[in-house]
This record gives sequence, C-alpha cells and structure tokens, in this order.
Amino acid sequence: EDQVTQSPEALRLQEGESSSLNCSYTVSGLRGLFWYRQDPGKGPEFLFTLYSAGEEKEKERLKATLTKKESFLHITAPKPEDSATYLCAVRPYSGGGADGLTFGKGTHLIIQP
Amino acid sequence: ETGVTQTPRHLVMGMTNKKSLKCEQHLGHNAMYWYKQSAKKPLELMFVYSLEERVENNSVPSRFSPECPNSSHLFLHLHTLQPEDSALYLCASSQEAGGPGNTIYFGEGSWLTVV
Repeated sequence: EDQVTQSPEALRLQEGESSSLNCSYTVSGLRGLFWYRQDPGKGPEFLFTLYSAGEEKEKERLKATLTKKESFLHITAPKPEDSATYLCAVRPYSGGGADGLTFGKGTHLIIQP
Repeated sequence: ETGVTQTPRHLVMGMTNKKSLKCEQHLGHNAMYWYKQSAKKPLELMFVYSLEERVENNSVPSRFSPECPNSSHLFLHLHTLQPEDSALYLCASSQEAGGPGNTIYFGEGSWLTVV
C-alpha cells in the first residue's frame, strides 16, 4: 500500500532560521512527487513536481529535493509570509486513485517575526 | 481571475437542507475533481470527471451527488448531510486524469458547516 508520511507535523521557526521539511514515501514505483503550499482557509497552491532521485527545484526561498525514499523541502531564511501548511503527494506507477495521488497530512509551518 | 473558482466560499446548512457547491475552471483542462479536507487528515478524493464522464467515486455516501455538465463546470449537490460532513470541500482540475506528471490545480475551497 502506498504511504506518504510528512514530518514534523508542526514546526515553529524564527524569521531567518533555515530548516527542512520531510516527506517519506513508500510506493511500488514513483511517477512524480508533488509539493503544495496551503494557507489557512484556502486551497493548496502548486509549488513543485519532482520525477527522479537527485532532482532539485527552487522557487524563491524554497528548494525541493528528491531521493529514492524521501523528499525534502528546504526553506532558507524564511519570512513570516512563508507560514503555511506544506503538503506532499506522490503519484505511483500503479494503484492510487483516478487522480493518481496519495497525499500526506502536511507540515504546519509558523515563522515568527 | 484565478484558474479554479469555487462558490460559495462559506456555507452553513441544516441537516434537512439541500444546497449545491459550484466550481468553474478557466484553464482549459479536461479533468475535474472534488476533494474533502478534514482537520488532521490527508486530502480525500471524492469524485473524478474526465471529459465530463465520472471515472471514480471513492465510496462516497449518496447524500453527495456530483454533476459535470461540461469540462469547465462541476457541481456538488448536498442533501440530508450529517454534522461529520462539515469540512473544506476543494474543487480541482488537471489536463487529464491521472496522467504522468499531470499537475492538479485547486480552487480556494468551500467551507461547509452542517448544523
């Protein structure tokens, strides 16, 4: 059974304090791994797609990396506006729903001024 | 204008009411989705439509009834709901359903409270 585990569940950082969020996955074969950002009371906003181990993608203060078992979302010198819940989802080669995705529960990130 | 628009943003309904959620996508996509998001749980896929045909119904109770009149519009009809149905309902769209590298784009969501 495909599984996605995100850690930590919640993370509180000071402004400027860099850190990483983890997404560990178990799938029969990975076709893609997706990161989304979700602000309170709003829908998830697409950030990145990663396809193969070793791949990296960057956007402003965020960098996503992928290995064969996990993905990290690195946040460098975060600002209060980076506060949100970050969701990870995987698309396996087989199984999953018709959307092809299995989502994690998310990491709730708070950046304090 | 956002890519996926949902209305209403907030809805309070009694258990005997009938209401509908509406979704419109402006991205030219062929697949549309309804998800349910509850506190402390992963996103739950409810319904998928590809080219206006339903391709999946993840054992959702019949008190939720979807309708997809065309590839740009999606409705979720609600009747005789239970308090545990209170959640954020998210509409989403993608170029195709489940294709490799297929990115799903979400709307802002409709907050539903059942009293």
